[in-house]
Amino acid sequence: EDQVTQSPEALRLQEGESSSLNCSYTVSGLRGLFWYRQDPGKGPEFLFTLYSAGEEKEKERLKATLTKKESFLHITAPKPEDSATYLCAVGNTGKLIFGQGTTLQVKP
Amino acid sequence: EAGVAQSPRYKIIEKRQSVAFWCNPISGHATLYWYQQILGQGPKLLIQFQNNGVVDDSQLPKDRFSAERLKGVDSTLKIQPAKLEDSAVYLCASSLLAGRTDTQYFGPGTRLTVL
Repeated sequence: EDQVTQSPEALRLQEGESSSLNCSYTVSGLRGLFWYRQDPGKGPEFLFTLYSAGEEKEKERLKATLTKKESFLHITAPKPEDSATYLCAVGNTGKLIFGQGTTLQVKP
Repeated sequence: EAGVAQSPRYKIIEKRQSVAFWCNPISGHATLYWYQQILGQGPKLLIQFQNNGVVDDSQLPKDRFSAERLKGVDSTLKIQPAKLEDSAVYLCASSLLAGRTDTQYFGPGTRLTVL
């Protein structure tokens, strides 16, 4: 059964304190690993797609990496506006299976 | 480019009542999805349409939930009768391509509260 597990469930950082979010997955046939950001009261907003082990993508203070079993979302020198829930999902035969998310709070 | 539109944004109903949600996907997107997101969890796929045909409805509680996609564009999701455990955010998403995993773009969601 396809499964996605994210850790930690919640993370509190001071502004400027870098950290990483983890997404572990088991899937029969990976068709992309997707990262989304979700703000309270809004729908998920697309960040990145990774397709193969070793691939990396960056956007501002965020960098996503992928191995055969997990993905990391590295946040460098975060700001309070980076506070949100970060969701990862694996793609398989046209659909996405989501993890439960990591809620990040960045304090000034 | 306009995003995915959903209405209403909020709905409060009594259990056993019925409710309907509407979604207008991004223009030209072939595939449309409905997800249920319970507080503290990730979205769970309910149904996937490719153009106006159903591709996957394996997790849709068919005794109470129904959905249709009109002329391959707009879609409605209905719950009848609602139960307390249906309280959740219902998200609509669309993707450009059909028949393959593609980036999905989400609407703002409808928050349903069943009392």
